[in-house]
Amino acid sequence: QSALTQPPSASASPGQSVTISCTGTSGDVGGYNYVSWYQHHPGKAPKVMISEVNKRPSGVPDRFSGSKSGNTASLTVSGLQADDEAYYYCASYAGSNYWVFGGGTKLTVL
Amino acid sequence: QLQLQESGPGLVEPSETLSLTCTVSGGSVRSNGYFWGWIRQSPGKGLEWIGSIYHTGTTYYNPSLQSRVTLSVDVSNNHFSLNLNSVTVADTAVYYCVRRGRGSEFDYWGQGNLVTVSS
Repeated sequence: QSALTQPPSASASPGQSVTISCTGTSGDVGGYNYVSWYQHHPGKAPKVMISEVNKRPSGVPDRFSGSKSGNTASLTVSGLQADDEAYYYCASYAGSNYWVFGGGTKLTVL
Repeated sequence: QLQLQESGPGLVEPSETLSLTCTVSGGSVRSNGYFWGWIRQSPGKGLEWIGSIYHTGTTYYNPSLQSRVTLSVDVSNNHFSLNLNSVTVADTAVYYCVRRGRGSEFDYWGQGNLVTVSS
């Protein structure tokens, strides 16, 4: 099973918006509404930001939103803040009780 | 507040078995509907799902690791464990224990345990 494809990097200025893509196949992203997104500051535990494609867990700012079209899921961060600078990973259920992650995107706030 | 904490050796010799335990506090591994599991991150790489276990002992493994990995759960002591045998330098990684929520997201993570495979 191949990892999901994410761009290695993304950047935007404070206050702007940025969208990170996550491309899979019909066997994972396209086949199930179980895509989640994680924010990872190095040295800390990853934190779930989006579940089930577009649901925000309690405590996650509404500046974070998720969507999906076909085999590609997206995470949009609006009103960028300095603390949003981190690595972001997507994950998807891939059937047969198997989960697959993306390679990660380093988000830089310019 | 649910907390997960990994414990285990930070150094394992090649061909040996990597063993880690995750102690759960502020909640119970017996909670219905939640799976417990392990995810790792090798240096400079992304996250990799290793496997999941339910409190009944039902397990699911990453096919790429299935021949070498075993998960177990101890409901009496509220912890679960990972055994990965025949390790190589490619198994060097930070290992995280996690809870998988009902929406299939990994909603709680331990702080991570760096395991280096080296002689």
